[in-house]
Amino acid sequence: SQQGEEDPQALSIQEGENATMNCSYKTSINNLQWYRQNSGRGLVHLILIRSNEREKHSGRLRVTLDTSKKSSSLLITASRAADTASYFCATEGTGNQFYFGTGTSLTVIP
Amino acid sequence: DTEVTQTPKHLVMGMTNKKSLKCEQHMGHRAMYWYKQKAKKPPELMFVYSYEKLSINESVPSRFSPECPNSSLLNLHLHALQPEDSALYLCASSQLHRGETQYFGPGTRLLVL
Repeated sequence: SQQGEEDPQALSIQEGENATMNCSYKTSINNLQWYRQNSGRGLVHLILIRSNEREKHSGRLRVTLDTSKKSSSLLITASRAADTASYFCATEGTGNQFYFGTGTSLTVIP
Repeated sequence: DTEVTQTPKHLVMGMTNKKSLKCEQHMGHRAMYWYKQKAKKPPELMFVYSYEKLSINESVPSRFSPECPNSSLLNLHLHALQPEDSALYLCASSQLHRGETQYFGPGTRLLVL
């Protein structure tokens, strides 16, 4: 069964704009991770945020976590055409589960 | 070396064939994973090996048989697959099983005829 739902399913923006995608999950977690996948390729880890953290930055990425709402968001600032990909959140539950969310397909138009 | 390699890149097999997918990492990671991903869907966890022992089997049919010959290698043996098993099969590894970043290989695209 799936743990996370992502919103929106698809997002199309102009280069230079910011992109925000959201992840909601169902059960208690130890950490939440965000991954990127270019079409038909393997996944690349972007950032990990632990359950006791509220915000984390990495370059143009900003991740927030609200455990009371069971939700996380990923913000990509000053987007580039190379950011075009699918983005997945992944949650590690307290009971050994590891699930990917449904994913957001991001298109950045040059 | 932060690379996970997978072979073959593509595989076409009939329902009566036996084939194997291979995965290798040289990062000293002690946890390795197999995922199945259908088009436009998220990866679904199939198996987890921790310290070369199978620690998680997510109710995967027995026509998929994992094997971890040593800490660097992970195989997935395929036998009597169905067309609905066609998918991208991803291997990943992490330092330890829990709470760690996973490093993914490029995947094997499998087509079952």
